[in-house]
Amino acid sequence: AAGVIQSPRHLIKEKRETATLKCYPIPRHDTVYWYQQGPGQDPQFLISFYEKMQSDKGSIPDRFSAQQFSDYHSELNMSSLELGDSALYFCASSLGSRTNEKLFFGSGTQLSVL
Amino acid sequence: DQQVKQNSPSLSVQEGRISILNCDYTNSMFDYFLWYKKYPAEGPTFLISISSIKDKNEDGRFTVFLNKSAKHLSLHIVPSQPGDSAVYFCAAIIISSGSARQLTFGSGTQLTVLP
Repeated sequence: AAGVIQSPRHLIKEKRETATLKCYPIPRHDTVYWYQQGPGQDPQFLISFYEKMQSDKGSIPDRFSAQQFSDYHSELNMSSLELGDSALYFCASSLGSRTNEKLFFGSGTQLSVL
Repeated sequence: DQQVKQNSPSLSVQEGRISILNCDYTNSMFDYFLWYKKYPAEGPTFLISISSIKDKNEDGRFTVFLNKSAKHLSLHIVPSQPGDSAVYFCAAIIISSGSARQLTFGSGTQLTVLP
């Protein structure tokens, strides 16, 4: 069965550069979530989208933005990267924003900021 | 302030024995709890969940117990198998808030099942 696809798997950037992370949800899933897991930390909720509209916002810095496109894939754009942005970024998808409690996660994008 | 806590960063269990992973939470608004399993280089995989209206949910070798008064839940794996070795995350949601479901995760417990 198709899973949540994230690209790239690994990304190395330098300070003040920009990065774009992509997430392709499970087919027919209309809700996408982004989580950030820093080294030795819990996964932290960043932002979510339902039917291409932002549905919820967590601890996402102003330097980051995200959107969900017409094909339901999502992109997380990160600008003015800082060393502290080095983390594993997970995307998850679900069908519906209220009726399905189970989120399906991608394998994550490991971002290293040098 | 960490709302979901897993106080044991690691646990080692002999194959065939019971594994008990614990999770505590502080926010009484949480009304749905989930356990995720994570292997290295993979995303978290949903394992089992429980609604706050229940105190037990069982699925094969996995059982989750919820003690609302103590704000405590536990995951029991019986019998434990070497393939169960992974990081286990406890997560909580406020479904009744009506917003998209932000998972609040604990810090995870590394389970090692010894053959």
